[in-house]
Amino acid sequence: LAKTTQPISMDSYEGQEVNITCSHNNIATNDYITWYQQFPSQGPRFIIQGYKTKVTNEVASLFIPADRKSSTLSLPRVSLSDTAVYYCLKGGNNRKLIWGLGTSLAVNP
Amino acid sequence: DVKVTQSSRYLVKRTGEKVFLECVQDMDHENMFWYRQDPGLGLRLIYFSYDVKMKEKGDIPEGYSVSREKKERFSLILESASTNQTSMYLCASSRTGFGTSGGQYFGPGTRLTVT
Repeated sequence: LAKTTQPISMDSYEGQEVNITCSHNNIATNDYITWYQQFPSQGPRFIIQGYKTKVTNEVASLFIPADRKSSTLSLPRVSLSDTAVYYCLKGGNNRKLIWGLGTSLAVNP
Repeated sequence: DVKVTQSSRYLVKRTGEKVFLECVQDMDHENMFWYRQDPGLGLRLIYFSYDVKMKEKGDIPEGYSVSREKKERFSLILESASTNQTSMYLCASSRTGFGTSGGQYFGPGTRLTVT
């Protein structure tokens, strides 16, 4: 059974770098990995997407090793406003989407 | 910015009622999705549509149907609401692909309570 597994929760402090890892077995050749952020009472918001190696944008980096069986979302210098739930999604044009159950990140002052 | 809007933020319905949840996107996206989100279960795909009048079942389609008569609008229908359909319903759209090309854009959600 294809699964996407991520930690249930993480704690951090303001200014630290946070790394959230997602394991995704049975990843297909055309699967991409996408990460979303969700605040209470809002829909998830796209953060970053990648296929392999490293992708960086203005808010995060995404590391995907050569075997692509895991991915790591890296949030540099988190602030209180980064407290949210982060979801990993594995999916591609085969129309099969596998969501993780989310990692609840708490950033403390 | 892509905007996905949902017809209601909160809805309370009675068991057995027919319920319509509407979703509209303004970026000419090909794909639209309906999810439900429950504590501890994450996001579960109910239905998706890759073109007007085209639809495919997701992981939990039982008790639901959908309609996409226009490209920008995707409706979720609960034919006969039941209490186990009390949930947060999220609509999303994407340009192309099902996990590629910039991800999905989500609406704010509709919290449906069935009593």
